[in-house]
This record gives sequence, structure tokens and C-alpha cells, in this order.
Amino acid sequence: GAGVSQSPSNKVTEKGKDVELRCDPISGHTALYWYRQSLGQGLEFLIYFQGNSAPDKSGLPSDRFSAERTGGSVSTLTIQRTQQEDSAVYLCASSGGGDEQFFGPGTRLTVL
Amino acid sequence: GENVEQHPSTLSVQEGDSAVIKCTYSDSASNYFPWYKQELGKRPQLIIDIRSNVGEKKDQRIAVTLNKTAKHFSLHITETQPEDSAVYFCAVSGGSYIPTFGRGTSLIVHP
Repeated sequence: GAGVSQSPSNKVTEKGKDVELRCDPISGHTALYWYRQSLGQGLEFLIYFQGNSAPDKSGLPSDRFSAERTGGSVSTLTIQRTQQEDSAVYLCASSGGGDEQFFGPGTRLTVL
Repeated sequence: GENVEQHPSTLSVQEGDSAVIKCTYSDSASNYFPWYKQELGKRPQLIIDIRSNVGEKKDQRIAVTLNKTAKHFSLHITETQPEDSAVYFCAVSGGSYIPTFGRGTSLIVHP
């Protein structure tokens, strides 16, 4: 079946602009995670959605970052007023009740 | 919160040698310990995992060992091949639904 998909695969934007990154999890997966991966670094947790529960936003680095998950499926990560330090690969992962996480291909964000 | 340390950050081996990567963690409530492989430009993928009620697990050339008392677990790759070259991440979860990842180990296997 289809895996986790993300769009766009690459995004180049100017400092100060807003960006939206999209994640389509595996159908039926109730858990959805967003991570940020900077060059040569590990995976930095951003936000976690589980079913209809309130999301865990404890990893969001600033109030410029927000995320939604509509209908328990697709999720959108929004970064407002982007800064150069926001440049990274943004990974989405979903999980279907077990512990294994299935990752998407990521969105490479470059802020000029 | 959970603190995960992963070593080494870079590991260079000759084809056919073994490779060992180690992670330590801090939360004794953690009970799930996966390893992910990320090839260059690709997404991370689970290669092996272990739960706290097991001390060792093997899958062909890869194995993971867990020492709960010392709070560390290791990935072992035997008979390394060039296609094993990638970044490997350990992760820890169980005390929280949110896994904590190590910073990654870049494994280079020279032909």
C-alpha cells in the first residue's frame, strides 16, 4: 500500500515569508509526528497528534510554528515569518498502533 | 525528559568487518528501542527493534543487545557491505509516546 507522502519535496522561500508543508499519513494510522532534521543532526521532535486528542506541541521551537491535522488524516505544518535558521528537512511520520514509525520522504526547506 | 546519547558519530570500516554502535538513555521507564537506517537523501526506515523484556534480537547480519540495568543498547552489524553505508539512528520510547532519537552515526563501509 501507499506509504507516508509529503509535499512539496523541496521549498525555497525568502526570509519573512510563510510556508505550509503537507503530510499524508498511511491510511488508518492514528498517530502522526513532525520532526526537523538539520544538516548532520538527529531528529528534533516538533509536534505529535494522536486521534482526536489535543496535540502535544511541546517540541515547537517558537510561536511561528503551528500544525493542524484535519479529519484525523492529512496534516499541515505552517511556519510563519520564516528565518534562515528554519532551513532544514522536515520529516513526517505516522504510526498505526504499534511503536514503529513510518517516515515520509521529507520536505527540504531553504530560507534565503 | 529522556536523554539519549549515541556513539560514535562516525564509524569507518572495511568491507567484511563488524560495526557496533551504542546508545545510552536515562529514563528507566523506557521500554522500546528501535534502530533506523537513513541512506543519503532517503527517509529513515526501521531495521530492527527490541523491547525491554528481551536482551538480544537478531535478524540476519544485524543484531541489537539491551542492558536495562546499565541503560544502554547497541546495534551490531556483521560482515559489513558497502550498501550498509548510511546514517543509523537509535531511538527510545515508552516513558512517553514521543520517541527520543540519538544524533546519528554515519557508517562508511569501504570496499
